[in-house]
Amino acid sequence: SQQGEEDPQALSIQEGENATMNCSYKTSINNLQWYRQNSGRGLVHLILIRSNEREKHSGRLRVTLDTSKKSSSLLITASRAADTASYFCATDGGYSSASKIIFGSGTRLSIRP
Amino acid sequence: KAGVTQTPRYLIKTRGQQVTLSCSPISGHRSVSWYQQTPGQGLQFLFEYFSETQRNKGNFPGRFSGRQFSNSRSEMNVSTLELGDSALYLCASSPSPGQINQPQHFGDGTRLSIL
Repeated sequence: SQQGEEDPQALSIQEGENATMNCSYKTSINNLQWYRQNSGRGLVHLILIRSNEREKHSGRLRVTLDTSKKSSSLLITASRAADTASYFCATDGGYSSASKIIFGSGTRLSIRP
Repeated sequence: KAGVTQTPRYLIKTRGQQVTLSCSPISGHRSVSWYQQTPGQGLQFLFEYFSETQRNKGNFPGRFSGRQFSNSRSEMNVSTLELGDSALYLCASSPSPGQINQPQHFGDGTRLSIL
């Protein structure tokens, strides 16, 4: 099964509202990343958070990491139509820098005008 | 700076054929990784190349292979194509190896359809 599992699988909100997506993983990690994918396009890196960090911000994005619960959340504030996309978390096995990256199944976010 | 370029964007093949996909990384990036994305299995790691050497490999059969050239460009090859190989194949580059330690820069992928 996947190392990272996103929740919810799909989310539809009104423009201007905040969107929160969660990622849970099974084994200890070194780092966790969040990516965005627009339909038919490649992934775009959003944020990398290391295992010794608890929170990171980038513009309207806020990522938290709780290693005790093996979970991370991505908050998008004041959502815009352009935020409509799929969002993926990516983790490693925590063993070494040669660990293979593992992507979660993704959350499909739809922003209603 | 030009982004990661993947060619072709779309490809249609029949079962039993083989296919070669190409990826040109961002200038200066020496690490290239390949991923397969399907609705059923999601995003799965295929392999990572750095300095012309395969550094890491996912759980795919030997029909999937790749290589990297001295200019860091990479190709992946799939032989004896099966219907289940229909997918979006994504390539990502980074300055150095270690996919989870740094941002990966993705191309827009090659959409492979097997008839």
